[in-house]
Amino acid sequence: DAGITQSPRHKVTETGTPVTLRCHQTENHRYMYWYRQDPGHGLRLIHYSYGVKDTDKGEVSDGYSVSRSKTEDFLLTLESATSSQTSVYFCAISDYTGNYGYTFGSGTRLTVV
Amino acid sequence: QQPVQSPQAVILREGEDAVINCSSSKALYSVHWYRQKHGEAPVFLMILLKGGEQKGHEKISASFNEKKQQSSLYLTASQLSYSGTYFCGTEVAGANNLFFGTGTRLTVIP
Repeated sequence: DAGITQSPRHKVTETGTPVTLRCHQTENHRYMYWYRQDPGHGLRLIHYSYGVKDTDKGEVSDGYSVSRSKTEDFLLTLESATSSQTSVYFCAISDYTGNYGYTFGSGTRLTVV
Repeated sequence: QQPVQSPQAVILREGEDAVINCSSSKALYSVHWYRQKHGEAPVFLMILLKGGEQKGHEKISASFNEKKQQSSLYLTASQLSYSGTYFCGTEVAGANNLFFGTGTRLTVIP
C-alpha cells in the first residue's frame, strides 16, 4: 500500500549512456523531489516539482533533467551518466498541508561503470 | 544552505539520553527531523514551524530556537529501536523544499 514507488530499485549502467529513473505516487501530492544520498553528504536536492510541468533546480542539478507530465509521475534523467553520479537516489513527496512531512520512496541504487 | 548537525555519531546504552543539534545560517521557516535505518528510506519524525510549540512523540521530542536558527532533537530513555541515522531538514520561507544535514549516526547498545 506504498503511496510512492521508485523504479528501478537497482541499475548498473555504462559511462556516457542516458538513464531515466521513475517516481510514481498515488497520494495526489503537489510536490515531488529528487535527492541523491552519498556518504558524508547526507541528502542533496537535485530537482523538485511543484505541479505538472512546473519544476525547479536544487543544489546539485548539473547533469540531470526532470519532467513531470502527470501529477503522479516525476522522472529524473541523467543525460550522459558519469561515475560521479553513482549514488542512491530518493524520490520524496509532500502536500505541504497537514503535518508537511515528506514521504520517501525506497530508493534507486545506481552504479555507473 | 546545508544545515550543520552535531554530533556526527553517538553511541548510547539502552536507557540513556541523547541530544542531536542542527543549526543553519539562514532564517528558517521550519525544521524537519527524519530517521533512516540502514538500507531503508528516511522516515519522517516531526516538524517544527516558526512560531510553533515544541513537538513531542513518545520519548522523542524537539525544540526550535528561531532567534539562533537552531533545533535540537531529544531522545530520552533510548531503546534499541532508536538506532539509525538522524537527519534534520531545514526550510526557508517560501522555498517549499528542504536542505538536509549530513546526519547523526546513533547506535544504541544493550
